[in-house]
Amino acid sequence: DAKTTQPNSMESNEEEPVHLPCNHSTISGTDYIHWYRQLPSQGPEYVIHGLTSNVNNRMASLAIAEDRKSSTLILHRATLRDAAVYYCILRRSVYSGGGADGLTFGKGTHLIIQP
Amino acid sequence: NAGVTQTPKFQVLKTGQSMTLQCAQDMNHEYMSWYRQDPGMGLRLIHYSVGAGITDQGEVPNGYNVSRSTTEDFPLRLLSAAPSQTSVYFCASIRDGSSYEQYFGPGTRLTVT
Repeated sequence: DAKTTQPNSMESNEEEPVHLPCNHSTISGTDYIHWYRQLPSQGPEYVIHGLTSNVNNRMASLAIAEDRKSSTLILHRATLRDAAVYYCILRRSVYSGGGADGLTFGKGTHLIIQP
Repeated sequence: NAGVTQTPKFQVLKTGQSMTLQCAQDMNHEYMSWYRQDPGMGLRLIHYSVGAGITDQGEVPNGYNVSRSTTEDFPLRLLSAAPSQTSVYFCASIRDGSSYEQYFGPGTRLTVT
């Protein structure tokens, strides 16, 4: 799977929007962009994923650049409970030859929320 | 739905002991995986399964065995525990092969002395 690059850490204020960037310049046409987060002492939690178009769900929005070489996870109104490590992961679907061998987690971005 | 459950939450072993980490899911997912997470690092894949009776190795399989006799259960066995296996272990099930949305259990914190 192609590699992603994320900042080590970011800081934001409570109740403000947060934009978490991810670069993936070697992404292939069949790679999905996944975001997971891991709260302290918990297992990772699925946040959102997309292929080409921007995506919204109850947790966040995913904005994907037109050339797909970068994406941004948007938390519209951060709360203290959003403080976590956020992982941006590329994954080819199983049906496109990606196999079923799990996700490759890097070190992610440690998001700090100030009250 | 309970989702993905793991037992035990905590375990201390002596070097050379064996044990089984239990993982179960009630979402009828075909794909399941085991990861380990060492301090300050991302998750690394140990073993995975694409269905009952089918398992394969991930990135760090040495010292671990798995089996998948049912869709629901995917136990991880440590054959002869070593201090290098001190870690937090996460089990995950995967919603489908297209979206690859994974559901993780709460983890088992294992210490080997």
